Amino acid sequence: NAGVTQTPKFQVLKTGQSMTLQCAQDMNHEYMSWYRQDPGMGLRLIHYSVGAGITDQGEVPNGYNVSRSTTEDFPLRLLSAAPSQTSVYFCASSYSYGGSTEAFFGQGTRLTVV
Amino acid sequence: KNEVEQSPQNLTAQEGEFITINCSYSVGISALHWLQQHPGGGIVSLFMLSSGKKKHGRLIATINIQEKHSSLHITASHPRDSAVYICAVTGNTDKLIFGTGTRLQVFP
Repeated sequence: NAGVTQTPKFQVLKTGQSMTLQCAQDMNHEYMSWYRQDPGMGLRLIHYSVGAGITDQGEVPNGYNVSRSTTEDFPLRLLSAAPSQTSVYFCASSYSYGGSTEAFFGQGTRLTVV
Repeated sequence: KNEVEQSPQNLTAQEGEFITINCSYSVGISALHWLQQHPGGGIVSLFMLSSGKKKHGRLIATINIQEKHSSLHITASHPRDSAVYICAVTGNTDKLIFGTGTRLQVFP
């Protein structure tokens, strides 16, 4: 199993450009999520999905879109990049059992918007 | 006030020292997670616990549900333990709530 595969690892964008961060998992997890990590702050939830065809906003959704057409894939789209979106992005998938949740993370994408 | 608070924010230690990182939370949880993030690296799950104590090698995690507190201990610390350690909790949903992390540096 590959776990959670997140690409690219690094990206530099110019203000106003668009791009898609890819996230795929092969563990058949229903729950997937995107986070951003900024210095001095904990990971913050951008968007999440509880299954194919279902997405919802997290704590900091503005400027980002997501879709979940399959269980495996959960891409994050930046429609018009802004310097404030410079951050490290993590995709995660998780499953619940016995009342507990186990989470798996991608390797992260370091995004710089200039 | 954050729902998950970690202390200390930064920690330096000499190789061989016993290390403790603390996590307090203010919400009801179903599980607490300890995660490790190496510089420039991804995030790895170290422990998930909902009660008691777990041990893996030199790492020990404990949780006190009544006090809403967890600790991560590292015995006989080593420079390769240098990383950011993150505490996170899950409630009744799959959503994770993260602490801001503890940056640990272990010097030889």
